[in-house]
Amino acid sequence: AQKITQTQPGMFVQEKEAVTLDCTYDTSDPSYGLFWYKQPSSGEMIFLIYQGSYDQQNATEGRYSLNFQKARKSANLVISASQLGDSAMYFCAMREGHYSGNTPLVFGKGTRLSVIA
Amino acid sequence: DVKVTQSSRYLVKRTGEKVFLECVQDMDHENMFWYRQDPGLGLRLIYFSYDVKMKEKGDIPEGYSVSREKKERFSLILESASTNQTSMYLCASSLSGDPSPGNTIYFGEGSWLTVV
Repeated sequence: AQKITQTQPGMFVQEKEAVTLDCTYDTSDPSYGLFWYKQPSSGEMIFLIYQGSYDQQNATEGRYSLNFQKARKSANLVISASQLGDSAMYFCAMREGHYSGNTPLVFGKGTRLSVIA
Repeated sequence: DVKVTQSSRYLVKRTGEKVFLECVQDMDHENMFWYRQDPGLGLRLIYFSYDVKMKEKGDIPEGYSVSREKKERFSLILESASTNQTSMYLCASSLSGDPSPGNTIYFGEGSWLTVV
């Protein structure tokens, strides 16, 4: 079963507007972490933001914020004031916690974001 | 800064060749990973290792093996390369322990392998 689902293969956004990239996840482990990565055309994976399952507040990092809805098992990435340099692939990922042992990151299939001038 | 270095950025190999992809990290991380990335499929885990000489199969281990003789080095081996192994391969490392903001996973720049 898919543990991370990103339903938007591609998205377009106008420069300076906000955009939301969707991510839903599936786990029975009460302890887990959710990650978002950006991958520009160069191929490097850039860590953007982290949300822990026990965190009371939504994570924010500069223009990135995470809309964490635990009951719905969703962890959407919000990018405010989009810039041309935000054009890239974005991956949502999850790592389950101590109940699941030493576990790797599991990734969704990604969303390609294109920012239009 | 954490550095994960993959030995080859671009490789072209022939069908049937034995291929080694090398990865080295400099932050004393316990965990190391090999992922494969294909368009529309995201990143899929091939193998990971949480200690020297230890390895665990990921989602797509068939046709691959790994070696971790030293903590800083994790090698991916294609015993007999096939055209369906043409892909981008990403190595990564992380500390062990529960997920936390400081326990993210760090990636190398990727190795683009073409098998002809």
